[in-house]
Amino acid sequence: AQSVAQPEDQVNVAEGNPLTVKCTYSVSGNPYLFWYVQYPNRGLQFLLKYITGDNLVKGSYGFEAEFNKSQTSFHLKKPSALVSDSALYFCAVSSPKLSFGAGTTVTVRA
Amino acid sequence: DVKVTQSSRYLVKRTGEKVFLECVQDMDHENMFWYRQDPGLGLRLIYFSYDVKMKEKGDIPEGYSVSREKKERFSLILESASTNQTSMYLCASSLYGSSSSGNTIYFGEGSWLTVV
Repeated sequence: AQSVAQPEDQVNVAEGNPLTVKCTYSVSGNPYLFWYVQYPNRGLQFLLKYITGDNLVKGSYGFEAEFNKSQTSFHLKKPSALVSDSALYFCAVSSPKLSFGAGTTVTVRA
Repeated sequence: DVKVTQSSRYLVKRTGEKVFLECVQDMDHENMFWYRQDPGLGLRLIYFSYDVKMKEKGDIPEGYSVSREKKERFSLILESASTNQTSMYLCASSLYGSSSSGNTIYFGEGSWLTVV
């Protein structure tokens, strides 16, 4: 059975500091990995995905994620966080069905 | 840009009522999905459809049904609403092929349903 875990319910950072949101997965076979962001009372917006190739994937709004097969991780990163990055972030894995993590609430303080 | 439109953002219904949640996408996507989002549980798949009049159960189909009479429209039906169906419902769509093909799933803005 496949699963995805986001080990931190909340992440708090100061504006301008690096932001990391963790995601680990468990699948048989090669995974496709996704990150989505959800702002309050809104739907999910696609940020980026890993299909194959370069382990570092760049996405929207300055976010990037690194696929690490040996650690079965796909952590989301942003070098310099903004207050407007405060939102709920979801990791998802597809192999073959799409499964979502429980989400991580990110708060960026001014 | 892909647009997935959920016609009702906020609904309040009574226990036992029949509830329809409507979703329309404008990108000619073959696949459409209904998810339910609850705090601490992430998103759970209720039903999905890969073609007109075709549907498959997701992880939590009990108490729900769906209808897809046209390619662009996918409806979620609660035959007899119950309080434990109070939740945020998200419609989504993607191009043909399973999610294992790497196709991105695009979401609507969500429908908040409260059953009293």
